Amino acid sequence: AQKVTQAQTEISVVEKEDVTLDCVYETRDTTYYLFWYKQPPSGELVFLIRRNSFDEQNEISGRYSWNFQKSTSSFNFTITASQVVDSAVYFCALSERNFGNEKLTFGTGTRLTIIP
Amino acid sequence: DTGVSQDPRHKITKRGQNVTFRCDPISEHNRLYWYRQTLGQGPEFLTYFQNEAQLEKSRLLSDRFSAERPKGSFSTLEIQRTEQGDSAMYLCASSHEASGAQYFGPGTRLLVL
Repeated sequence: AQKVTQAQTEISVVEKEDVTLDCVYETRDTTYYLFWYKQPPSGELVFLIRRNSFDEQNEISGRYSWNFQKSTSSFNFTITASQVVDSAVYFCALSERNFGNEKLTFGTGTRLTIIP
Repeated sequence: DTGVSQDPRHKITKRGQNVTFRCDPISEHNRLYWYRQTLGQGPEFLTYFQNEAQLEKSRLLSDRFSAERPKGSFSTLEIQRTEQGDSAMYLCASSHEASGAQYFGPGTRLLVL
């Protein structure tokens, strides 16, 4: 069975600091996808990234970067120079490709608070 | 390009009543998912449609829950004889098979009194 663990329940950092959110996953499949979503106080889940299990290259998008390490089954998310607008709950998720059904298994989320 | 929309955004009902939620996916997306999220938890998968076919239902979906996607466009989720334990945020997501990225709607927050 799939499982996603986000051990950090809450993190607070001062604005402009860098912060890394941890994600560890379990799966028996060799083909799978990893995701990060942001859920701001408004409640709507915002898609951030989808990564294929065969692509271990790190990715950078503006202030966001993701580190995928298959050897440790981790897919960590770093925000550089954090801003107050980054305050939200962040979810890591995993899907296995099952005849087109890519249902997501989510972690319990990390609540990030950026202190101005 | 409009995103996923859900209606209503909030619903308060009395125990035992039936409720129905609607989801309109992004127009070119052929895959549609329903999830449920309770306070302090991540969303949990409920059911999946590819076009109009419902291909998977979670064990979380009791017999009181039914979902449809007529003509492969919008979808409805009905809960019959609601119970207080049904109180949650019901989220709809859609995706296109080419990209796989699931885009979520704003959710319907259900409160059963």
